[in-house]
Amino acid sequence: SQTIHQWPATLVQPVGSPLSLECTVEGTSNPNLYWYRQAAGRGLQLLFYSVGIGQISSEVPQNLSASRPQDRQFILSSKKLLLSDSGFYLCAWSGGIYEQYFGPGTRLTVT
Amino acid sequence: AQSVTQLGSHVSVSEGALVLLRCNYSSSVPPYLFWYVQYPNQGLQLLLKYTTGATLVKGINGFEAEFKKSETSFHLTKPSAHMSDAAEYFCAVSPTSGSARQLTFGSGTQLTVLP
Repeated sequence: SQTIHQWPATLVQPVGSPLSLECTVEGTSNPNLYWYRQAAGRGLQLLFYSVGIGQISSEVPQNLSASRPQDRQFILSSKKLLLSDSGFYLCAWSGGIYEQYFGPGTRLTVT
Repeated sequence: AQSVTQLGSHVSVSEGALVLLRCNYSSSVPPYLFWYVQYPNQGLQLLLKYTTGATLVKGINGFEAEFKKSETSFHLTKPSAHMSDAAEYFCAVSPTSGSARQLTFGSGTQLTVLP
């Protein structure tokens, strides 16, 4: 069966520090991968998606970037965090046809 | 472009009462439709989906939803609420073609179950 992992589970970082969040998927190959952000009291905002290694599409201009160095690995990064980057970050995968499956999330607090 | 509207950001029901969470979508063609549930500090879990075929779909935990094309709706129901149903529920749509099949989510409905 397929499994999706995210780490770390929680992170507290000062403004201006770098960020690296990692997402890996097991049990499937060539998945579509997605990064979402969920701000407090708000819905889900799609940040990036990837249909293959090295293929990244950005949905909103922001302080963040994404990379897909391996087929089942998706990384969300920032060089300098802003207060507004705080939120709950969710990674998801899909087989490309129907639903997406979500990871457990990373709670990021920028102080 | 597709959009999703969830009526009622907060819904409260008594334990044992009917749960009805409303979802309407806007799309040039009927999309695929989904309901997800999120418990505090967890990821989203798929409750049910509509792609093709029978318009009444059953999901996990006793939930079901009916796709009504004429009303562009996909409301989520459960006959009898349980305390464990307290969570946030998201309706989502995706196009029926394209390689990435991005999901567009509603803003969510927080369900409270009263004892």
